[in-house]
Amino acid sequence: GESVGLHLPTLSVQEGDNSIINCAYSNSASDYFIWYKQESGKGPQFIIDIRSNMDKRQGQRVTVLLNKTVKHLSLQIAATQPGDSAVYFCAERMAGTALIFGKGTTLSVSS
Amino acid sequence: DAGVIQSPRHEVTEMGQEVTLRCKPISGHNSLFWYRQTMMRGLELLIYFNNNVPIDDSGMPEDRFSAKMPNASFSTLKIQPSEPRDSAVYFCASTQGGDGEQFFGPGTRLTVL
Repeated sequence: GESVGLHLPTLSVQEGDNSIINCAYSNSASDYFIWYKQESGKGPQFIIDIRSNMDKRQGQRVTVLLNKTVKHLSLQIAATQPGDSAVYFCAERMAGTALIFGKGTTLSVSS
Repeated sequence: DAGVIQSPRHEVTEMGQEVTLRCKPISGHNSLFWYRQTMMRGLELLIYFNNNVPIDDSGMPEDRFSAKMPNASFSTLKIQPSEPRDSAVYFCASTQGGDGEQFFGPGTRLTVL
């Protein structure tokens, strides 16, 4: 089964709101986590990553939070825009192994 | 940089035919990954190479699937014979050093009738 999962398959927000996409992982030995965005008809595109020795990392309008105690990962998008509409995947990796992807959350942003 | 290049972008074939998907990784990247994406199963890793050597092929569904990487700038994923359940989008990704961000290609949408 999936070792990386998502709490919600879809998320609908209004333009300008903040979005939070959640992800649960099951492997406590995972040391690297990454969020990807996939727009329709395109390949996944890197958003932000975080290593297990950190609990927060910020990018441009995005923040990833890692809670190793409960094995939870979240992606926060500030001031969500229509262009943020896509499927968002989290992925985990143990050292020396390949990424394992979750099923994805569809983010829908309405104007 | 052209990014990861995949061809063809779309492939429609009949059951039993051989299908070959192609990938050119980003120059300088030494790890290459093949994924399959379906609605039911999401994004699944099929196989990955490091320095042209297959490291983990445990995701390859069955013997009908094979992958090669004859050099650092080219890889193929072959399905022979193809079946309707192979219909999916196949992605190739590459990275430098095996860690960190994987850069994905645009994918090949395969339809097996």
